[in-house]
Amino acid sequence: AQSVSQHNHHVILSEAASLELGCNYSYGGTVNLFWYVQYPGQHLQLLLKYFSGDPLVKGIKGFEAEFIKSKFSFNLRKPSVQWSDTAEYFCAVKDSNYQLIWGAGTKLIIKP
Amino acid sequence: ETGVTQTPRHLVMGMTNKKSLKCEQHLGHNAMYWYKQSAKKPLELMFVYSLEERVENNSVPSRFSPECPNSSHLFLHLHTLQPEDSALYLCASSQDGQGVFVGANVLTFGAGSRLTVL
Repeated sequence: AQSVSQHNHHVILSEAASLELGCNYSYGGTVNLFWYVQYPGQHLQLLLKYFSGDPLVKGIKGFEAEFIKSKFSFNLRKPSVQWSDTAEYFCAVKDSNYQLIWGAGTKLIIKP
Repeated sequence: ETGVTQTPRHLVMGMTNKKSLKCEQHLGHNAMYWYKQSAKKPLELMFVYSLEERVENNSVPSRFSPECPNSSHLFLHLHTLQPEDSALYLCASSQDGQGVFVGANVLTFGAGSRLTVL
């Protein structure tokens, strides 16, 4: 069965540092890929998604993610983080079975 | 406000109580979902309704009983829960096709109902 792995449960960075959060999935084939974010006390919301086309996807708030099919990866990046990026980030993969499989999440803490 | 409203936001109940969680979506979507969110675990899909018909039930214990009276409302009825059922319960909606295509698009989540079972 499809599984999604987020490599770090917790990441702590200082403001202006660069960010990369890892996401790997287990099965190949056609996939739809998502990053969702949950800010403290707020609802889960979509950060960005990949369905097809350019594998470098740009989302809200300066985030981007790159789909590398050969590595089964969809890592999230931001060149310079802000204190307001403190949140929990979830990767999700939908495969050809149309099941949406979620990673366990990464809690990002940005020190001011 | 996301367009998906969940009530109550917090609920504390004993193991013998009966309570219900409510979800309402104002987006005109045709699919609704219940998820369970526990710390350090992936979101667990519990139930999916497409056009008011249940299309998925991921082996959820019978002490959780969903109800979808129309495309805008979704309930989760709770009865004789266990302490390990304590979690954040999330409702979501999406605009999708039917059956196997449910969930193909983006989910809009509510803020969740934090359940504590004593």
